[in-house]
Amino acid sequence: KAGVTQTPRYLIKTRGQQVTLSCSPISGHRSVSWYQQTPGQGLQFLFEYFSETQRNKGNFPGRFSGRQFSNSRSEMNVSTLELGDSALYLCASSLGHLKNTEAFFGQGTRLTVV
Amino acid sequence: QQQVKQSPQSLIVQKGGISIINCAYENTAFDYFPWYQQFPGKGPALLIAIRPDVSEKKEGRFTISFNKSAKQFSLHIMDSQPGDSATYFCAASTGANNLFFGTGTRLTVIP
Repeated sequence: KAGVTQTPRYLIKTRGQQVTLSCSPISGHRSVSWYQQTPGQGLQFLFEYFSETQRNKGNFPGRFSGRQFSNSRSEMNVSTLELGDSALYLCASSLGHLKNTEAFFGQGTRLTVV
Repeated sequence: QQQVKQSPQSLIVQKGGISIINCAYENTAFDYFPWYQQFPGKGPALLIAIRPDVSEKKEGRFTISFNKSAKQFSLHIMDSQPGDSATYFCAASTGANNLFFGTGTRLTVIP
């Protein structure tokens, strides 16, 4: 069974630009969550999507947004990039039942903002 | 505010020794406590998880001990091996799929 696939693996963007990251969950998984990982703040929850609806949202500014498609694939978008947005962005997929199920992470997209 | 506090920040253990990583939480609504292992350049990989209705869970060399009254849980790695050298994260969640992570422990196992 294929794991969680994130594309691209690496990105370099300029301040002020926007970026879109993609995540394909494990087949059969309907929930996709996004996390930001930085050396200073660690792993922080961005948002979760289930059945094309945002179910939970972390404490991030509105520049961070996402969506989920009918095939459960998800994208996240960051607009007006800032230097502080440089991070590893991780996607996790799970079956999606509200009573916790295991979450499996992709390898992440390394975003560098210059 | 860090919802899950993890210690130590780094740990050096001799091969064959026991590695112990501790986590504490405040939110009594948390009902799922996983541990993740992360190697450089990789995403976190689920290692083992526990729910508050049990006090201990063992999978191979990895054991989670859970103390509900103290709001603490820990990971024990028995017979630590150099291949276990990685960063370990504890996490907690409330029933939804958003995990609150600890700050991580960098484990180095010396041959």
